[in-house]
Amino acid sequence: EPEVTQTPSHQVTQMGQEVILRCVPISNHLYFYWYRQILGQKVEFLVSFYNNEISEKSEIFDDQFSVERPDGSNFTLKIRSTKLEDSAMYFCASRQGFDGYTFGSGTRLTVV
Amino acid sequence: DQQVKQNSPSLSVQEGRISILNCDYTNSMFDYFLWYKKYPAEGPTFLISISSIKDKNEDGRFTVFLNKSAKHLSLHIVPSQPGDSAVYFCAARLYTGANSKLTFGKGITLSVRP
Repeated sequence: EPEVTQTPSHQVTQMGQEVILRCVPISNHLYFYWYRQILGQKVEFLVSFYNNEISEKSEIFDDQFSVERPDGSNFTLKIRSTKLEDSAMYFCASRQGFDGYTFGSGTRLTVV
Repeated sequence: DQQVKQNSPSLSVQEGRISILNCDYTNSMFDYFLWYKKYPAEGPTFLISISSIKDKNEDGRFTVFLNKSAKHLSLHIVPSQPGDSAVYFCAARLYTGANSKLTFGKGITLSVRP
């Protein structure tokens, strides 16, 4: 069964450093998302991406965040200057049509 | 912003019995509802969904009921099995074309006792 792949599974970074979280969505999917879950809290929407541009972003997704689809297969989330409160599980998701959101296994980001 | 609410943080049931997981929502414009199951250190896995034009959808041991007037949906698992022990998230979609994001509830931890 096709799956969404995320790397790395766990990233530890120092506060103020840049991190790039990588995702390979399902190949024929057209819509891409990043969500995050802070420990003990609910899964929150960050950004949606379609046709090589951001469709919508939440208030969490400020100027420190950016997304790219650099080569037609990878979908990346960059945090320019990480803060302690960025520590969370970050989930990539993709979908093809009306439904069928498929999530990756997540990247646990720990900012120290 | 609590548009999707799962008010019970946990549920414990005996193996073989029915598990009923509840979810309430406030936005009447949601058009699609999904249940996801999540194990520790894994991403949410799609379980079952229901369109807002239906009131019931069944898939094997899993049935989702939607009561639009009450803005309430529930997931029934019959019979419950120990492997069903996980966190269950209710999610709702506001369809705006390419901007169709999901809004999640906080999740319910289901424990099925052998």
